[in-house]
Amino acid sequence: DQQVKQNSPSLSVQEGRISILNCDYTNSMFDYFLWYKKYPAEGPTFLISISSIKDKNEDGRFTVFLNKSAKHLSLHIVPSQPGDSAVYFCAASASDYGQNFVFGPGTRLSVLP
Amino acid sequence: DVKVTQSSRYLVKRTGEKVFLECVQDMDHENMFWYRQDPGLGLRLIYFSYDVKMKEKGDIPEGYSVSREKKERFSLILESASTNQTSMYLCASTGDEAYGYTFGSGTRLTVV
Repeated sequence: DQQVKQNSPSLSVQEGRISILNCDYTNSMFDYFLWYKKYPAEGPTFLISISSIKDKNEDGRFTVFLNKSAKHLSLHIVPSQPGDSAVYFCAASASDYGQNFVFGPGTRLSVLP
Repeated sequence: DVKVTQSSRYLVKRTGEKVFLECVQDMDHENMFWYRQDPGLGLRLIYFSYDVKMKEKGDIPEGYSVSREKKERFSLILESASTNQTSMYLCASTGDEAYGYTFGSGTRLTVV
């Protein structure tokens, strides 16, 4: 049973518009969340994080929102650019579990010019 | 500036062969991880290590073993490769949980 879910395997967005990638989790012990971006034939790279003491974290065009009661987080990319086309993984960890992160299955984002 | 290096980008091996995947990090990280990535399944943890000569099983350790003789090197071993081990293998290390993992570029292994 997946503890971290990304229910949209793929998403297509027009350049300049907003991309919204969603992630749901089931383990209420998770208190730290990351988004990774992965291009083909490369390893995932860290994008943005959020701690459970916050409900929003912003870094340039990227904003992550956390809704603890719904066990849901989302990544917003505004404006979307063709270079954002990649697979995005949501990952979660719990302080009590050390530094192991549980990853979602990923969402493939395609930004169309 | 490469920080986590996986020795091979592409590898083709025969069923039954013993396969070694090497990973080296130059960030003096204590924690190292091996994942495999498969479509629709995301990244699944095979093994991890918090210290030299220390190893812990992840979610899918069957058919794999690991070795960590030096802090900077974490090796994944497929004792007898099988076709269901065809996958992308990703090594990662971390020293600062705030930024999660630093991943290598991955090794795409095909077992025929």
